[in-house]
Amino acid sequence: DAGITQSPRYKITETGRQVTLMCHQTWSHSYMFWYRQDLGHGLRLIYYSAAADITDKGEVPDGYVVSRSKTENFPLTLESATRSQTSVYFCASTQGFGYGYTFGSGTRLTVV
Amino acid sequence: GENVEQHPSTLSVQEGDSAVIKCTYSDSASNYFPWYKQELGKGPQLIIDIRSNVGEKKDQRIAVTLNKTAKHFSLHITETQPEDSAVYFCAASSGTGANNLFFGTGTRLTVIP
Repeated sequence: DAGITQSPRYKITETGRQVTLMCHQTWSHSYMFWYRQDLGHGLRLIYYSAAADITDKGEVPDGYVVSRSKTENFPLTLESATRSQTSVYFCASTQGFGYGYTFGSGTRLTVV
Repeated sequence: GENVEQHPSTLSVQEGDSAVIKCTYSDSASNYFPWYKQELGKGPQLIIDIRSNVGEKKDQRIAVTLNKTAKHFSLHITETQPEDSAVYFCAASSGTGANNLFFGTGTRLTVIP
């Protein structure tokens, strides 16, 4: 199906473990983004990518790693999960300026 | 960087009444202003957007106005319906870098039947 999909939808992990959140889009959009959503903070940008093999930090990148070896995939890795990383994570993509973003359905991550 | 402020944080209206959500931005270079609706358990969905060369844009019951001089823009929903209940986010972008959008903190709209 066309669109942007995130997996898993829900994840519980322990402090210190590595966890990877997946994001896949079928439109070949150049730009992809990872946001976290927390009550009172709205959507905060973690990392973004302008094309395959081009990534850059957003507002809150500490503790996260991204890669983009293929245009359609943009995984987000928490190298050593902390409780402060408990959040809902959204992936988004766009073809360019002025087109708006299309968001995935989100991954609810709980770090215990 | 850009700073987007959004008010109010919560808004309750009677069905059929109008709802207005306001946002201000700090970067005078911003020239693209989308609005997103987020329903429970879902990702934000684009509902309307406006560019800086336009002062107002309408799409059925929703409209967005932009005042570049004052650096603020607003979302207007008329004849509200219960299905309009959701969290609404404004955003702003200057189109530089990777077209980053900077989001407001959201408004929870409740339409009372």
